[in-house]
Formats: sequence, structure tokens, C-alpha cells
Amino acid sequence: EAGVAQSPRYKIIEKRQSVAFWCNPISGHATLYWYQQILGQGPKLLIQFQNNGVVDDSQLPKDRFSAERLKGVDSTLKIQPAKLEDSAVYLCASSFWAGELFFGEGSRLTVL
Amino acid sequence: KQEVTQIPAALSVPEGENLVLNCSFTDSAIYNLQWFRQDPGKGLTSLLLIQSSQREQTSGRLNASLDKSSGRSTLYIAASQPGDSATYLCAVNFGNEKLTFGTGTRLTIIP
Repeated sequence: EAGVAQSPRYKIIEKRQSVAFWCNPISGHATLYWYQQILGQGPKLLIQFQNNGVVDDSQLPKDRFSAERLKGVDSTLKIQPAKLEDSAVYLCASSFWAGELFFGEGSRLTVL
Repeated sequence: KQEVTQIPAALSVPEGENLVLNCSFTDSAIYNLQWFRQDPGKGLTSLLLIQSSQREQTSGRLNASLDKSSGRSTLYIAASQPGDSATYLCAVNFGNEKLTFGTGTRLTIIP
């Protein structure tokens, strides 16, 4: 069974530029999550989708971050414009239904 | 506020020893708890999932316990090996289908 796929693995941009990350969850998993992990900290939830609907985006900085889940399958997280404090690893996870979460390898963002 | 705490932040033990990692959480009304392993520069690998109705789960040399009344979970690693060196993260589902993470314990096994 294929795992959660994420791309790109690494991205370096300058502040005020934009960036997009892509995630393809495990087939059949209805719930998809985007987490932000800053160095030395535990992951923090940014947004949770159930199929193509948003369940929780209370911690998503909506002035600069946006996310969508096209047709309830893959998802894109966008940051525009990026700030220095956005430097982090962006982790995508999926689950079948309130069960075990499976994570991708993450996308490491460096903002200069 | 629902919080998850892991102490210590770092732990070093000689190879072959048994060890225990600790996780505490503020709200006993949990749905499940999951332990993850994270290697440097990598994503999270699920180790064990304990449902709220369970007391423990085992996988190979790993055993996770859950005590909801005291708000605690432990991850026991038997006969530690250098390959066990990683950061171990505890995450709690407080019934809202999302995980709240601790900050992790960085484990180093000394050969």
C-alpha cells in the first residue's frame, strides 16, 4: 500500500515570495491534515479536511496561508507572502476515520 | 486547554538497557493516543495506537500503556539498540479527530 506522498521535499525562498506544497493521501482515507513543525517543537495542526470540506482551520494564518483539497483526494497548501517565521517542516497526514494517522515525509521550507 | 507534555526533552542510555518514555495530558476524556518515531529530516512513523478503552498495546520490543485517570502514557522499549535513536512523539486525540502533540523526547542509544 502506497503511503502519503508529499512534494517538494525541500524548498528555499526569500521572504515575501510564495510557495505551494502538494499532498496525496493514502487511497481511501477521507481525512487529510496539514501540520506545521518548527524545529524543536511538536507538530501543530494547520487545517483538517474531511473529504473536500474543511473541519478545522482555526490555527491557519488565513492572511497568508490557504489550502484546498481538490475532489476530496489530493491537497495543496499555499503560503503567500512568506515570512521568516514560516520556516518549518510542513507535514501532511491522512486517516481512514478518526483512527490511526499516517504521515508523509514532509516538505522542509526555508525562508531567507 | 488540552495539552500534551513529554519529559525529559532528551535522554541517553547505554545499548541493551530497557527504558521508559513518558507522556502526560491534561484532559482524561481522550479518544485515543498515538506514539510516533521521527528520524532527523524525516516524517513521522506511527509506532502504536491505543484506544481509550485499552490499557496497553505491544509491538515487538515496544509496549505502550495508557492510564486515563492519571493522564499518563508510557512507551517502554526493551533491550535498546543504536537504531532506536530518534525523537519519540506522543499525540492525543481529545475526541475531535485531530491530534495534539507533545514536544517529543530525543532518545540517544550509546553503543
